[in-house]
Amino acid sequence: GAVVSQHPSWVICKSGTSVKIECRSLDFQATTMFWYRQFPKQSLMLMATSNEGSKATYEQGVEKDKFLINHASLTLSTLTVTSAHPEDSSFYICSARKGVNTEAFFGQGTRLTVV
Amino acid sequence: AQTVTQSQPEMSVQEAETVTLSCTYDTSESDYYLFWYKQPPSRQMILVIRQEAYKQQNATENRFSVNFQKAAKSFSLKISDSQLGDAAMYFCAYRSPFGNDYKLSFGAGTTVTVRA
Repeated sequence: GAVVSQHPSWVICKSGTSVKIECRSLDFQATTMFWYRQFPKQSLMLMATSNEGSKATYEQGVEKDKFLINHASLTLSTLTVTSAHPEDSSFYICSARKGVNTEAFFGQGTRLTVV
Repeated sequence: AQTVTQSQPEMSVQEAETVTLSCTYDTSESDYYLFWYKQPPSRQMILVIRQEAYKQQNATENRFSVNFQKAAKSFSLKISDSQLGDAAMYFCAYRSPFGNDYKLSFGAGTTVTVRA
């Protein structure tokens, strides 16, 4: 199979602190991973594309200094929400592509609540 | 970026009945991929079905089938013999075969409720 695991599944943090979310491909190597944000009952909004060994490509309107992405290995990408504020509270989902011509596999998501 | 439109925010179906979800998309490319993803209350995204644009035959996966109309840029999903476990939000998605990133463009989603 192709399993993508996110950690943590949910996190509560205080306003002004930073929180890191991990996305791991457990049984395959992923040169590219994607980070999405989803509000309740809405669609997935692509935040950035993470490529192993290079800088992430951010979508228009996404603050790269706010949402730090690191893809240090072929099985791990991390999203760090820096100086989090209540408006950053959301559901964050990662996905990874197994190969050039395959579908994306999704992690189970991380619910972030900033208080 | 390609636009994917799902015009039905919500659909309700009786258990064992059939429901069809609509999806249209806008593209100038001749080759591409289309997907339907299911997001149950757990919020885990699950691939339901995939269609390559160069294939004329409609994809099927057990009780799930699509009606792919390339000229009309339409890609509807039919769920037959609906089960309670089919209750979820369904997203239609488009992916270009070009470019290194192969990003997915999602529709707004359709929430499916199954009545017992």
